[in-house]
Amino acid sequence: QVQLVESGGDLVKPGGSLRLSCAASGFTFRDYYMVWVRQAPGKGLEWVSHINSGGSTVDYEDSVRGRFTISRDNAKNTLFLQMSRLRVEDTAVYYCVRNGVNRRDFDFWGQGTLVTVSS
Amino acid sequence: DIQMTQSPSSLSASLGDRITITCRASQSISRHLNWYQHIPGKAPTLLIYGVSTLHSGVPSRFSGSGSGTEFTLTISSLQPEDFATYYCQQSYGIPYTFGQGTKLDIK
Repeated sequence: QVQLVESGGDLVKPGGSLRLSCAASGFTFRDYYMVWVRQAPGKGLEWVSHINSGGSTVDYEDSVRGRFTISRDNAKNTLFLQMSRLRVEDTAVYYCVRNGVNRRDFDFWGQGTLVTVSS
Repeated sequence: DIQMTQSPSSLSASLGDRITITCRASQSISRHLNWYQHIPGKAPTLLIYGVSTLHSGVPSRFSGSGSGTEFTLTISSLQPEDFATYYCQQSYGIPYTFGQGTKLDIK
């Protein structure tokens, strides 16, 4: 079955950096676009970034562009999110999400990893 | 960015009730509208994509309709496992924005 397992969430000070990972299994990872979605405490869901199946095309939500970098290792079935210059408002649960093939929906989600940015 | 507005923001209902949640887009998004269910502490799950297509394994009591700027999610007969927060999401243009959520709880 499809599994997406995030790791790397932690408490970090404003201005710091963090790298999130997502280990994928149960499907052919290299065939799918992958996505990061976040949920700040008490707030709704927010699309953060996506990457195409080969890793050559990426996009970002405006508030993270230039600070976050999405990447993937198809040989290791792993998705990454490198986060730098973190702000308090980046505090959230970060979900690793699979994009439906040939569709524009998010068909499987991981359990999420908590990133807390606080001094 | 395309703004997605859900109504109501919260809803109380009883087992067996039929409920409808509305989602409005700030511009036409054709049929690029998806619905998700989120139970606190669990991973969100896809319910419906492309306005009205049920994701694999989703019970038939869920249905979706609409086009353009106005969309609805209907649950025909509420079951205990349906009490959750529901989000619409447009996939017409980046950033793929979500509605603010509709929290459904037991009356």
